[in-house]
Amino acid sequence: QQQVKQSPQSLIVQKGGISIINCAYENTAFDYFPWYQQFPGKGPALLIAIRPDVSEKKEGRFTISFNKSAKQFSLHIMDSQPGDSATYFCAASNRWGKLQFGAGTQVVVTP
Amino acid sequence: GAGVSQSPSNKVTEKGKDVELRCDPISGHTALYWYRQRLGQGLEFLIYFQGNSAPDKSGLPSDRFSAERTGESVSTLTIQRTQQEDSAVYLCASSLEPTSQPQHFGDGTRLSIL
Repeated sequence: QQQVKQSPQSLIVQKGGISIINCAYENTAFDYFPWYQQFPGKGPALLIAIRPDVSEKKEGRFTISFNKSAKQFSLHIMDSQPGDSATYFCAASNRWGKLQFGAGTQVVVTP
Repeated sequence: GAGVSQSPSNKVTEKGKDVELRCDPISGHTALYWYRQRLGQGLEFLIYFQGNSAPDKSGLPSDRFSAERTGESVSTLTIQRTQQEDSAVYLCASSLEPTSQPQHFGDGTRLSIL
């Protein structure tokens, strides 16, 4: 069964707007929550990651919000740019490293 | 090399043939992972190596799939008697150790079974 559920499946946002992608997980043994960005024909590249001892992490225009009690985490892309158009995957792993991925969100940023 | 390298980048083969996919991890990375990505879907874990041993093979979908790693470096994923449902992108990732993050991904091998 899918251990990490991601929504929405796709998202269209205007340049300068905010993109929000949500993920939920079940396994309380997960202790690492990364977000990956993938462009067509390329492998996923790490964007930002968080561990459950913090509730928020910000790197530039990208922010992860983490709610341990609800077992949910989200990615916010501020001031979205056309170059942000890509597929975004949330993931989760326990200390042994195997990543469980969400199904992905295709983000399109319109000029 | 600077990153994870996979070859071939594309492979087209006929149903029933065997295929071998290669992964060169980042030098010094002891952990190596194989994932499968079907069209429009997320990544599915297949197998991971710590050094040359594979503690977790739980994601291999059938006994037609096998993988090995030699010299704590190159890994080969082999699919025997390929089926059309094996068509996917096969991605390899490596990290310094299994308990360390992040995992760095290659660009994958796009496998098409005719």
